[in-house]
Amino acid sequence: QKEVEQDPGPLSVPEGAIVSLNCTYSNSAFQYFMWYRQYSRKGPELLMYTYSSGNKEDGRFTAQVDKSSKYISLFIRDSQPSDSATYLCAFNTNAGKSTFGDGTTLTVKP
Amino acid sequence: EADIYQTPRYLVIGTGKKITLECSQTMGHDKMYWYQQDPGMELHLIHYSYGVNSTEKGDLSSESTVSRIRTEHFPLTLESARPSHTSQYLCASSQTGGQSNYGYTFGSGTRLTVV
Repeated sequence: QKEVEQDPGPLSVPEGAIVSLNCTYSNSAFQYFMWYRQYSRKGPELLMYTYSSGNKEDGRFTAQVDKSSKYISLFIRDSQPSDSATYLCAFNTNAGKSTFGDGTTLTVKP
Repeated sequence: EADIYQTPRYLVIGTGKKITLECSQTMGHDKMYWYQQDPGMELHLIHYSYGVNSTEKGDLSSESTVSRIRTEHFPLTLESARPSHTSQYLCASSQTGGQSNYGYTFGSGTRLTVV
C-alpha cells in the first residue's frame, strides 16, 4: 500500500469555480504538509506548507490538514485559467525527506 | 537571487554516449536530490545527498551516478545513455533544520531524449 494517495484527476472546471484537491496518507510520522504546483515542462514550485491541523490561507488558496483522519486538502477559490497545472501534495517526517503524491492535473476553462 | 539551476534544459543524444546533467544551487542548502519524471507521471527519487561527499541511491533503481564534491554542485552522470533513459530529470535542494521540513526548491529540469 502506498503511503500517499492523491485524487487522480484530471479535473476540469470553469473559471471562477472552487476547486478541491485531496490527499490521504498512512504514515503517522508525517508532521509537515505541503502543496506544490507544477506547470507543464517546469519543475514543481512550493505553493503552501503547514505543520498543524487546521486551515492555512494564502490569497485564493487554503490548505487544510486533518491529522486525525490523515487527510489534507487544497482549496482554490475563484479559480483562474492561470491555475491550470498539476498539483502535488507532499509530506515530511522530522528527518526532512519528502514523500510526494502522484499529482492531480487541473484545467480551468475560461 | 538565490536559486537552483539545471543545464542543459533540453538534450538529444545518441545511444551509448556519456552525459552529465548539471545542477547548482546558490542557497547554501546542504541537501540535494535528483528526481526522474515522465510526462504526466509521478516523481521518482533516484539519488540524494545530505552533504559533501555523501550520496545515496533513491527509491527508483537508476543506472546513473552522482557526486557531491562541493555543497552547491550535484551533477548526475549517465555513462552510456539508452532510449529507456529518455525522461525529464529534476534537481531539488533543501536545508537541514526547521526549513528542511518546509519543502524543496526545484530546478526547471533537463528534458533528455536518447535516440
